[in-house]
Amino acid sequence: DAKTTQPTSMDCAEGRAANLPCNHSTISGNEYVYWYRQIHSQGPQYIIHGLKNNETNEMASLIITEDRKSSTLILPHATLRDTAVYYCILEGSGGYQKVTFGTGTKLQVIP
Amino acid sequence: NAGVTQTPKFQVLKTGQSMTLQCAQDMNHNSMYWYRQDPGMGLRLIYYSASEGTTDKGEVPNGYNVSRLNKREFSLRLESAAPSQTSVYFCASSLGLNTGELFFGEGSRLTVL
Repeated sequence: DAKTTQPTSMDCAEGRAANLPCNHSTISGNEYVYWYRQIHSQGPQYIIHGLKNNETNEMASLIITEDRKSSTLILPHATLRDTAVYYCILEGSGGYQKVTFGTGTKLQVIP
Repeated sequence: NAGVTQTPKFQVLKTGQSMTLQCAQDMNHNSMYWYRQDPGMGLRLIYYSASEGTTDKGEVPNGYNVSRLNKREFSLRLESAAPSQTSVYFCASSLGLNTGELFFGEGSRLTVL
């Protein structure tokens, strides 16, 4: 499975939108973009996923570029509880056993 | 709905001791996984079980064994613990290997002295 590239860390002011980028220039046509987050040392938590259309749920929005080589996770109104490490991964027909979790983006929400 | 439950949450071992980490899920998932997470590193897959009755090695299987006891339970055993196995261990499950999202347990923090 293709790998992803994310910034090591980002800051966001409380109440503002947090925009977390992810590059996946070698993504395959059948691979979904998944986002997870890990708050402190808890187990990672699923946030959202998409194939090529933009997606929105109660937690976040996912914007995928038309060429699918990059995506952005948007937390519309960041709170202190959104401080976490955010992971962008790709999963296709190969299965999760081939998925690589990198080191993600450490998002710090600042009061 | 408990999701994925891991026990114990914390454990301290001496080098050479053995122990088993337990994992159970109540979501009727077919696939289960064991990961380890070391400081500054991402999650690394140790072993996985695509379905009941099958297990396969992941990226870092050396020093570990697993048992898929039934559809709900997937255990990870350290036969002779080493300091290099000091880590946080996460169990996860999904509907299938390439179906649905991963659900993670809260982690088991293991220290080997």
